Parts: sequence; C-alpha cells; structure tokens
Amino acid sequence: GAVVSQHPSRVICKSGTSVKIECRSLDFQATTMFWYRQFPKKSLMLMATSNEGSKATYEQGVEKDKFLINHASLTLSTLTVTSAHPEDSSFYICSAPSTGDLYEQYFGPGTRLTVT
Amino acid sequence: AQSVAQPEDQVNVAEGNPLTVKCTYSVSGNPYLFWYVQYPNRGLQFLLKYITGDNLVKGSYGFEAEFNKSQTSFHLKKPSALVSDSALYFCAVRDSDSSYKLIFGSGTRLLVRP
Repeated sequence: GAVVSQHPSRVICKSGTSVKIECRSLDFQATTMFWYRQFPKKSLMLMATSNEGSKATYEQGVEKDKFLINHASLTLSTLTVTSAHPEDSSFYICSAPSTGDLYEQYFGPGTRLTVT
Repeated sequence: AQSVAQPEDQVNVAEGNPLTVKCTYSVSGNPYLFWYVQYPNRGLQFLLKYITGDNLVKGSYGFEAEFNKSQTSFHLKKPSALVSDSALYFCAVRDSDSSYKLIFGSGTRLLVRP
C-alpha cells in the first residue's frame, strides 16, 4: 500500500531556532498534503493544506509566518517551525490523499518536536 | 459546519468482550465517515470508511462500524477485543468544502485489559 514517511521522527531544538520537518509520499504523487498538530491527550488539529506549486492554505488561527510550508515537488512537503518556542513542542503529522481511492488518506508516522 | 463528537475519553473493556467506541456527527450533506487508529508515537492508520451503501461497514483487524442516519452515529465495534487493540481511536468526517480535508473527533482511548 501507499506509504508516507516523515523525517525526522524526533527532534529536539533550542528555543529561538528553526526546525524543518519533511513529509514524503514514497510510491505515489501527492499534489496535496495536510499538516496536523496533535496536542497532549490526543486532539488532532489541521494546521494547513500544502499545495504543490502554490501557496499553502492555513487554517484559522495558525500563524503562516511561524509555520512555513513548502510543497516543491509531487512527493515532498516540508513544514518549518521558525523561531521555535517551548509551546511549539508537539507531535506533527502529515497526510496525503490516495490517488486510487479518493476517500482515503495516508498518514505519516509523525514527528515529535521538543523545544527546550 | 461539519463536526464529529466522541463522547468518551476512554473506554475500558476486558479481553474477549465486545467493544464499542462511540461517534456522532453533524454534516450538511451526505456524510463521508472514517475511523482511524493511532498507536503510541505513531501516525494514524485507516480502519474503515462509510461512503454509501450498506450501513454496516467492515474494516481492518476485525473492526466494523454501523452507520445510523436517524441517530447521526457511526459507532465502531468489535465482537471480541484483544489486548493489542489498546490504542487511540479517531472518528472523522470529510469536509464538504474539500475533497480531502478531514475533520477529526477528539479521540477515544481504548484500554483492553487481559
């Protein structure tokens, strides 16, 4: 089946630095990818929709200048957390829609970000 | 606006007993409903979906879900729980304004005790 990978799986960074998270569709092309943030005790929040070759669409309340999204190719979307702060510590998950079944999405394994 | 509610934060069940994880939804048109499971520090795995047709949907790992239009529910069920089923379960509905965007419930932690 289709696979979505994320890199890194875990990252620790210092407050004020930036960190980039990659999301790749390994055996299919994805013109659209989604970025989610999962808060402690589970709630999953959609942050933005990443569109290949165009600007990302951000959900209300998500700072686009803080969470930079680039979808430079049909298999890669990146999320850069700029000037990270401890409150940005979270589990970030990406997903991509299936090209075969329009109703299915494939999720990456997630990236655990810890800002110290 | 589309929304999904999972009224239970946690469900506890003994191994071998049937389990039910509840989900109710609110949509403006036809509901496209999904269940996903998440194991610790992992992404979400697809279990099953309802798009149209038979109200009883069968999915992965022996799970099934029943679509009930009158009660606007889509409860997840399994006849006999396994300890390995212990995980976090999410119900989701597809946003009518987007072909792919999913709106998730708050999640229900299932704990199956030996």
